[in-house]
Amino acid sequence: IAGITQAPTSQILAAGRRMTLRCTQDMRHNAMYWYRQDLGLGLRLIHYSNTAGTTGKGEVPDGYSVSRANTDDFPLTLASAVPSQTSVYFCASSEGDSGETGELFFGEGSRLTVL
Amino acid sequence: GQNIDQPTEMTATEGAIVQINCTYQTSGFNGLFWYQQHAGEAPTFLSYNVLDGLEEKGRFSSFLSRSKGYSYLLLKELQMKDSASYLCAVKDSNYQLIWGAGTKLIIKP
Repeated sequence: IAGITQAPTSQILAAGRRMTLRCTQDMRHNAMYWYRQDLGLGLRLIHYSNTAGTTGKGEVPDGYSVSRANTDDFPLTLASAVPSQTSVYFCASSEGDSGETGELFFGEGSRLTVL
Repeated sequence: GQNIDQPTEMTATEGAIVQINCTYQTSGFNGLFWYQQHAGEAPTFLSYNVLDGLEEKGRFSSFLSRSKGYSYLLLKELQMKDSASYLCAVKDSNYQLIWGAGTKLIIKP
């Protein structure tokens, strides 16, 4: 079934460690996004990419970095994890770029706990 | 600042109708989305409104009034599987999605 795959599903790591969350889509969508979802708050955009080779900062980019070497993959890296980065992370994609009105397709999420 | 307001939680009875409201204050408007999110799962797309009026899709309908900064999601013939959170999101003038915190809908038999 076509869609978005995230890994790992769940992870516990010590503060200060480096962590990469993987995201792969097979729908050939141009745009990809990383969101974090925290209790009582709406989804917050971390970084986005309108097309392969380009990335942009979202609402809460500090402490995170992304790359978009090809259409399918959009990894999110925490260079030095801190407890405030404990959250559920969702990768998403859309057919057009963020300037278009297409719906978002989400991965199943990665639950990250930083101790 | 930009703001999306939705009730935190609502309760309804199986077979009934429920209306979930969303009000927004954003810098510009390029469409409003509703997503459904079951506990522990990913959000899934329900509806999109860019013009004023009602969009109907089966048991679900979504209404938009741009002049009032207001939308609602109407769910008819409620089923137990409709128990979920419903997320309202608005695309602003920069085409960035601004998300509400979601409304948790509890369906009782």
